Amino acid sequence: EVQLVESGGGLVQPGGSLRLSCAASGFTFSDYSMSWVRQPPGKGLEWISYIRGSSSTIYYADSVKGRFTISRDNTKNSLFLEMNSLRAEDTAVYYCAKEGGFDNWGQGTLVTVSS
Amino acid sequence: QAVLTQPSSLSASPGASASLTCTLRSGINVGTSTIYWYQQKPGSPPQYLLRYKSDSDKQQGSGVPSRFSGSKDASANAGILLISGLQSEDEADYYCMIWHSSAVVFGGGTKLTVL
Repeated sequence: EVQLVESGGGLVQPGGSLRLSCAASGFTFSDYSMSWVRQPPGKGLEWISYIRGSSSTIYYADSVKGRFTISRDNTKNSLFLEMNSLRAEDTAVYYCAKEGGFDNWGQGTLVTVSS
Repeated sequence: QAVLTQPSSLSASPGASASLTCTLRSGINVGTSTIYWYQQKPGSPPQYLLRYKSDSDKQQGSGVPSRFSGSKDASANAGILLISGLQSEDEADYYCMIWHSSAVVFGGGTKLTVL
């Protein structure tokens, strides 16, 4: 059974940094691309970033380009999102999702950017 | 103009069918696009329902009932999620998604009420 478990969320001040993790199990992690998708409270879904299984291809949404960095460690079946220069509008539940079609999602981790 | 436009809400009766539309911005051809659909219930992450490009290129999500199906309306440049035999448990938010220019775009979501 595919399992994706996000961690690392919390309260951070504007301008601060946070590192999210997504632990994957139940599939051959290195064979699959992964993405981060976020959802502000009460709002819709927003894709953030994508990384191919080999890390050879990475894409970002314009809203986070230059501030967020996606990475993965296939030896540890883990996906990461380094978030810098955080803003109030980055407040959201952050999900990791498997494959280009997002066929599996984690439960999400809440990031709150507030002073 | 948004890349993907979904009606914000839709109501239908139990046992009836509901047709949820996802209209692509002018200039993006629905005929060559793969449309992904997700269901999200309150307090839960999105769940993958299906993807649809054509009748010969489609995929149902694991465990997703066959009463959920995809199609396209080329004249409206739209993807369609058809839910037949509506049940109370189908009440949820539904999101469409496409890959466009090396980025993922979600529609704003449709809140389906079954009453």
